[in-house]
Amino acid sequence: DAGVTQSPTHLIKTRGQQVTLRCSPISGHKSVSWYQQVLGQGPQFIFQYYEKEERGRGNFPDRFSARQFPNYSSELNVNALLLGDSALYLCASSLSFGQQLGGYTFGSGTRLTVV
Amino acid sequence: AQKITQTQPGMFVQEKEAVTLDCTYDTSDQSYGLFWYKQPSSGEMIFLIYQGSYDEQNATEGRYSLNFQKARKSANLVISASQLGDSAMYFCAMKASRDDKIIFGKGTRLHILP
Repeated sequence: DAGVTQSPTHLIKTRGQQVTLRCSPISGHKSVSWYQQVLGQGPQFIFQYYEKEERGRGNFPDRFSARQFPNYSSELNVNALLLGDSALYLCASSLSFGQQLGGYTFGSGTRLTVV
Repeated sequence: AQKITQTQPGMFVQEKEAVTLDCTYDTSDQSYGLFWYKQPSSGEMIFLIYQGSYDEQNATEGRYSLNFQKARKSANLVISASQLGDSAMYFCAMKASRDDKIIFGKGTRLHILP
């Protein structure tokens, strides 16, 4: 079975541009969460989507948005890129909302560099 | 607010020795879960072990065990018989039962020496 798939793996963008990152969860998983990991730090929660509805949002500006599709895949969109948006963006999937027993599987991430 | 503190930025350990990675947490929630993840240079977060706040026994998964001391709000990871492949970043994390937001610490970089 395929794990959590993220694309692209690497991306270079210019300040002010917009970027879309994609995530395909494990088959059967209906919840997708997005995290931002700046170099030298732990991941920070951005969004969670379950059954195509936003269920949680972290402390990020409105330039960050996301959506989940009927097949449970998800896109994270970042507008008006800043240098500080350079980070590893991780996607995690789980079977349902409120999963407790370590049921969160992460992808390998998209490494975004803003120049 | 929830918070995870990992006080060891880096550790060097001889192969085959046991290693303890420290983690303390802060939360006002009564029901929560504690996790440890391993992140190799590839970037993927690999789940290692989970401990629920109401679990009375310390969690174990193969060479990994979680030393859970609830009163001290401590959740240290113990790796027995370390291997060269254990070299990676290790993150302690927690989430409350009421939502799916995982809070991570800053991590500890573990280097296993041959």
